[in-house]
Amino acid sequence: GEDVEQSLFLSVREGDSSVINCTYTDSSSTYLYWYKQEPGAGLQLLTYIFSNMDMKQDQRLTVLLNKKDKHLSLRIADTQTGDSAIYFCAETFSGTYKYIFGTGTRLKVLA
Amino acid sequence: DGGITQSPKYLFRKEGQNVTLSCEQNLNHDAMYWYRQDPGQGLRLIYYSQIVNDFQKGDIAEGYSVSREKKESFPLTVTSAQKNPTAFYLCASSIPTGGTEAFFGQGTRLTVV
Repeated sequence: GEDVEQSLFLSVREGDSSVINCTYTDSSSTYLYWYKQEPGAGLQLLTYIFSNMDMKQDQRLTVLLNKKDKHLSLRIADTQTGDSAIYFCAETFSGTYKYIFGTGTRLKVLA
Repeated sequence: DGGITQSPKYLFRKEGQNVTLSCEQNLNHDAMYWYRQDPGQGLRLIYYSQIVNDFQKGDIAEGYSVSREKKESFPLTVTSAQKNPTAFYLCASSIPTGGTEAFFGQGTRLTVV
């Protein structure tokens, strides 16, 4: 079945690393994404990973994928106040163009 | 500039009335989507369309209707049959190929008064 879960809140201090976690139940997903939503706005793609990869790094962002446990994480190094937002993981499947989104994690960065 | 535009940003509706939310894109994307966002529930798919004149129900299609007469446009009508329509509505578009980014509009906040 299609179900993507995230913890609702995360609070970190400025300069620390943030780790946002996501679990999914459908092992047939092909691509997994991380999106960022600022207040009152749409979603912007941060990064994505193909399901046959274990890790992807892009500047301050590191994505880890554990297919065995169906677990995806996003690590933000040196977290800044501008990183405060809601972060969504999402997945797509071969043969369909639906994006299934998680519940979103609200990250609050404390100065 | 290419992008996806939703209008209006804020919309108020009286109970019992239908209302239509606009979504236009100039990205030449075949696929378009409507999501509903409620606090703590993430994004839930209402309808999606992979090509002009074709669309499929998502997970929460009851009380909503769509049309896809033009590639650029995918309007969503919230009907009086939708029991709890107050929410933030997001439209998105993409190239219908795996691994590509879905581009989102800025959203419409609908409030029933």
